[in-house]
Amino acid sequence: EDKVVQSPLSLVVHEGDTVTLNCSYEVTNFRSLLWYKQEKKAPTFLFMLTSSGIEKKSGRLSSILDKKELFSILNITATQTGDSAIYLCAVGPYSGAGSYQLTFGKGTKLSVIP
Amino acid sequence: DAEITQSPRHKITETGRQVTLACHQTWNHNNMFWYRQDLGHGLRLIHYSYGVQDTNKGEVSDGYSVSRSNTEDLPLTLESAASSQTSVYFCASSQTGLQEAFFGQGTRLTVV
Repeated sequence: EDKVVQSPLSLVVHEGDTVTLNCSYEVTNFRSLLWYKQEKKAPTFLFMLTSSGIEKKSGRLSSILDKKELFSILNITATQTGDSAIYLCAVGPYSGAGSYQLTFGKGTKLSVIP
Repeated sequence: DAEITQSPRHKITETGRQVTLACHQTWNHNNMFWYRQDLGHGLRLIHYSYGVQDTNKGEVSDGYSVSRSNTEDLPLTLESAASSQTSVYFCASSQTGLQEAFFGQGTRLTVV
């Protein structure tokens, strides 16, 4: 059974801090790892990672994957109150027949206080 | 703009009633998914479909069914609603060949 574990489950930081969110996984035939941001509504896509060691970056957010150690981190620098959300990590398997369902972790709830 | 919409956004129903949640996407995606989100459990897959007339069970499919008669819609039916099915339900879709999924706004279902 595929498994995704996120840590910490919740985190409170002050504006301007840098945070690191963790995601470890056990997946049969791993294909990709995805990060989503959820602010009270629908999860919105942030990054998809398929190769080890290649950092993906979008503004103050960045993420990297380690396929040997089976984990990923999501970094947010200079946090703002608008970064407050639940951050979800998901993994997708590889299947020759085409397999697209994602297995999600429980999420990390980030609260950024002024 | 293409989008994925769910209806209703909120629903209260009684135990034992049949309930159908609608999901409609205009991206022409072949892949569609239903998840439920509960505190302490995260997002769990209920059912999914990779195309018209294709449906598959996910991790927590008991008590739920789906049908796929066209590309745009994947309605989720609770055959006989139970209090344990009180949850927030998300529909999602993705393009064949890609695993990035786009989510609807969610339906909050309360079974009393």
